[in-house]
Amino acid sequence: AQTVTQSQPEMSVQEAETVTLSCTYDTSESDYYLFWYKQPPSRQMILVIRQEAYKQQNATENRFSVNFQKAAKSFSLKISDSQLGDAAMYFCAYRAFYGQNFVFGPGTRLSVLP
Amino acid sequence: SAVISQKPSRDICQRGTSLTIQCQVDSQVTMMFWYRQQPGQSLTLIATANQGSEATYESGFVIDKFPISRPNLTFSTLTVSNMSPEDSSIYLCSVEDGGFNTEAFFGQGTRLTVV
Repeated sequence: AQTVTQSQPEMSVQEAETVTLSCTYDTSESDYYLFWYKQPPSRQMILVIRQEAYKQQNATENRFSVNFQKAAKSFSLKISDSQLGDAAMYFCAYRAFYGQNFVFGPGTRLSVLP
Repeated sequence: SAVISQKPSRDICQRGTSLTIQCQVDSQVTMMFWYRQQPGQSLTLIATANQGSEATYESGFVIDKFPISRPNLTFSTLTVSNMSPEDSSIYLCSVEDGGFNTEAFFGQGTRLTVV
């Protein structure tokens, strides 16, 4: 079974600084998707960024980028120029290419300090 | 994309009673997923609901405790039966767009407190 691990239960960053959230996963599949979801206090899960495993290029969405290391099964999220609105729980998630459901990591609570 | 409306957003219930949570999607979807998120924890999949067939439950979850209905391609309900304080959680409905750019969309969740 696939598992997703996030080793940092909590992180904090100064406003305008950069922070990196870690994620590792375990799978025997070669094709899959990886995601970072954000859950603010409103509880609404929001997709931050997605990476297809067959793509070597790291995904980027504005201030958010990932470092995808397929051989190491590592998928970290970098948030640049952190803003107060980035404060939330961040979940790393995995989905097999032909899978039906998502597997979520335990989450990292990010605080942004003014 | 998909917009999901989930009701109620929160409720406080007496132990031993049941609560039915509704999930309405603005487009037709094949599969709908129900998750439980206990306080400060990650999302745990309860079951997958396909229209026209019985829901598929994950290990640790049973139909008698969490009956699910899926009468059509845009709607599903999850019932939490015979509730105890341990059922206090956030319950989330989710769908996947099923397209090339696979993505999960979520309702805003139901915060359930059992007293």
